[in-house]
Amino acid sequence: QQPVQSPQAVILREGEDAVINCSSSKALYSVHWYRQKHGEAPVFLMILLKGGEQKGHEKISASFNEKKQQSSLYLTASQLSYSGTYFCGTEDNNNDMRFGAGTRLTVKP
Amino acid sequence: GAVVSQHPSWVICKSGTSVKIECRSLDFQATTMFWYRQFPKQSLMLMATSNEGSKATYEQGVEKDKFLINHASLTLSTLTVTSAHPEDSSFYICSATGQATTYEQYFGPGTRLTVT
Repeated sequence: QQPVQSPQAVILREGEDAVINCSSSKALYSVHWYRQKHGEAPVFLMILLKGGEQKGHEKISASFNEKKQQSSLYLTASQLSYSGTYFCGTEDNNNDMRFGAGTRLTVKP
Repeated sequence: GAVVSQHPSWVICKSGTSVKIECRSLDFQATTMFWYRQFPKQSLMLMATSNEGSKATYEQGVEKDKFLINHASLTLSTLTVTSAHPEDSSFYICSATGQATTYEQYFGPGTRLTVT
C-alpha cells in the first residue's frame, strides 16, 4: 500500500523552512527520501532504518518514528536548488518498496 | 557514488513495434534491479524487481508478456516493451542496488518512450 505524503505542494521563499511528512499503514523496515527535478530521474537523499534514527545532510534532515510508521523530511533555510518533487519510499519487513505520491516544493527568490 | 545509466534516453516508436531499454550499473555490481514507470506528475510505480540470473518478479497488474525483463549479468538489465501501444508511452526508470550500495537504490536517468 502506498504511503501518504503531506502536504501535496508547498511554496516557500528562499531561507524559509519546510517539513514534508510520510506515513504508512504498514510496519516499516526503512524509509527512503528522494528529490526529483522536472524531467529527470529521482536522486537519492537519504535512508533511515528502523531504530528511530535521524539523519542530516547539510540543511536537509529527516526523522523516522517506526512506532508511528512515520517519517518527516526537514528542509531548513531553503535554497532555490531545493525546488522539485520529494518522494518518500517505504520498505516493509518483506523488502516491499512503495513510493508516496510526492510533494511538490517550489522555492522562490 | 554509484552510477546507473540507461539507454536510450528517449525513443519514439510506432504502434506494434518492440522497444528495448537497457539499464547498466557502471561502477558496482547490481544484485537487484528495479523497473519503474512514471506518468506525468505522478509517483513512481514499481513494475518489477529482477535479481541477477533469475526471473523477474512482476507487480500485480503488470503484464509480464508485454514487459519482458532480463537481468543477464550483475551490471545489465533490460526491459523490452513488446507490441507497444500509445498507452505505453511513459517515463521508464530503472534503479539498482547491490552489496556495495547497502540499502540505497540508485536511479538511472530514465527513458522517455513515446509510441505513435
